[in-house]
Amino acid sequence: DAKTTQPPSMDCAEGRAANLPCNHSTISGNEYVYWYRQIHSQGPQYIIHGLKNNETNEMASLIITEDRKSSTLILPHATLRDTAVYYCIVRVAGRGGGADGLTFGKGTHLIIQP
Amino acid sequence: KAGVTQTPRYLIKTRGQQVTLSCSPISGHRSVSWYQQTPGQGLQFLFEYFSETQRNKGNFPGRFSGRQFSNSRSEMNVSTLELGDSALYLCASSLAQRGGTDTQYFGPGTRLTVL
Repeated sequence: DAKTTQPPSMDCAEGRAANLPCNHSTISGNEYVYWYRQIHSQGPQYIIHGLKNNETNEMASLIITEDRKSSTLILPHATLRDTAVYYCIVRVAGRGGGADGLTFGKGTHLIIQP
Repeated sequence: KAGVTQTPRYLIKTRGQQVTLSCSPISGHRSVSWYQQTPGQGLQFLFEYFSETQRNKGNFPGRFSGRQFSNSRSEMNVSTLELGDSALYLCASSLAQRGGTDTQYFGPGTRLTVL
């Protein structure tokens, strides 16, 4: 699976949009971009994933550049509960039964300031 | 639909003992993966089970083993515990449908402390 690069930490004011970047310049054509977050000592929480089109769900939006070498996770109205470590992962999906292990980097520690 | 559940949530053992952790996947999910999280190494993939068979394995010693039952529930076992095995052990399940994206959903984890 391709490697990702994320800033180690970011701050965002409560109520503002939090934009978390991820670089995945070696991504392959069949690799998806996944985002998870982990609040201290809890299990990682799935947020969103996409292949090449922008995606939106009730939690966030995912913007993938046209060349797919980078993406941005957007939390539209950040709250204090969004303070967590956010992981960007790229992986081949649907290998036909069974899931390969996710490769977690160090992620971005997002701190929402009141 | 209920999420992934793991038991116990907390466990304290001493060096040399063995431990068994349990994971119940989301209903209908056929794949169960296990991960270890430590402050030094971060989140690392241990192994994955599908249809009662280990399909994928990370780079961990043979002291770490697992199994999956016909109802997709899974257990992992660590024998001859070492201090370095103190970690948060996470279980994740996925549908594992052919052609699907195999999104993994994580449980709350089991915090193992080895004294």
